[in-house]
Order: sequence, then structure tokens, then C-alpha cells
Amino acid sequence: DIVMTQTPLSSPVTLGQPASISCRSSQSLVHSDGNTYLTWFQQRPGQPPRLLIYKISDRFSGVPDRFSGSGAGTDFTLKISRVEAEDVGVYYCMQATQFPRTFGQGTKVEIK
Amino acid sequence: QITLKESGPTLVKPTQTLTLTCTFSGFSLSTFGVGVGWIRQPPGKALEWLALIYWNDDKRYTPSLKSRLTITKDTPKNQVVLTMTNVDPVDTATYFCVGGRGFDYWGQGTLVTVSS
Repeated sequence: DIVMTQTPLSSPVTLGQPASISCRSSQSLVHSDGNTYLTWFQQRPGQPPRLLIYKISDRFSGVPDRFSGSGAGTDFTLKISRVEAEDVGVYYCMQATQFPRTFGQGTKVEIK
Repeated sequence: QITLKESGPTLVKPTQTLTLTCTFSGFSLSTFGVGVGWIRQPPGKALEWLALIYWNDDKRYTPSLKSRLTITKDTPKNQVVLTMTNVDPVDTATYFCVGGRGFDYWGQGTLVTVSS
């Protein structure tokens, strides 16, 4: 199984300031079709997760452009350009290159 | 509008079989590339992928639970059913149904407690 490791596990951020979450995979996420299936989800308190970004950097429908994804191979980053109060929650990366699908441990974003 | 909703028991006894149903709308499991799957989250813990069924009836399971899981679909009814045999208290979790081409849409989840 591919192991996904997120850092940090907790990220206190000031409103309006940027936040960054790292996700590292134990092996390359480049699929045989040439795509890299690295996905980011947001889970607000008491809510189900929702899809933010897929294939490293493609934002899902309705996701604000302050969210961006980058990376390649085994190292990936989710950035929030200016954190808003509604961004509080836990963020998970997930690889969809191989079965079984595997998630990171989650990173909790909270306001200082 | 795409919606998914999980249904099933909230309390199950150890060794029993858990059956969960996902009823969805706004898309069809007969569409190329579409899949519906299950993910669970123990209280206060991370997400764990369990199973996935595709439009062409291809089925995938997490290896650690494969012997206990069965996923099936009823395309005309827009439903996917997950059964888990021989449940244990460690299976206590919120179970989410997810659908689309890549976990695009999620249900609200259903909390299942395994306890005698």
C-alpha cells in the first residue's frame, strides 16, 4: 500500500494569512496513463469531507481560487492564499493512482 | 443536483453482519467512468477507504478487509449496498458513501456503533 504522510498535523493560522500543508507519498503517484492522481479534501467540523482538488492542481467545481495545489512525483502541497474563518477544519490528501486508495492522517487548520 | 444518502443500522452486535445502503440521485451508475464507494472514519480519526464499484461492475476492496466486505449495485434503483461480516467494536465509525468519477460527491455519513 502507498503510505501518505502529511505535515504538519496541526496548523494555527491568522485570518488573512496563508497556510500550507505538505503531503508525501511512499512511492511515485504517476499513473501509467501519465496522470498523477493526488487529491485533497476538506472536512469542516461536523461535516462530511468535500473534494477540493484533484490531479494535483485541478480545483473542483465551486472551490474558491484561494485554494491551490502543486507538486509532482511524491511531494505535494495544498496552499490557502488567505485563510478565512470558513476554512477551519481538517484537510486530507489521498492518492487515487493505485488500489487501495490511501489517505494521509489529516492536518487540522485552526485560527490563532 | 447530486446527492447520496447512507442508510442502515446505528447499532450492531459483535460478530453480526452489517448492511449499509447508499441511495443516490443526479447521476447514473451506468455511465462510463462512474463509481460509488464507501469510506469510513472512526470517531476522532482519519479516513479509511473500504470499497468501490464501477459502472462496469468492476469491484475493488481494501486488502485488510477484503474477506469481510461485499459491494453490489442495483443500477435501476440507484443504490449501492455494502455488507461487512463478523463486525467488531473496532468497526465503530461513521460510514460515508461517495460517488462520481473520483470521490467527487459525499453523503452525510451514518454512524455505526458495534457493541454488545
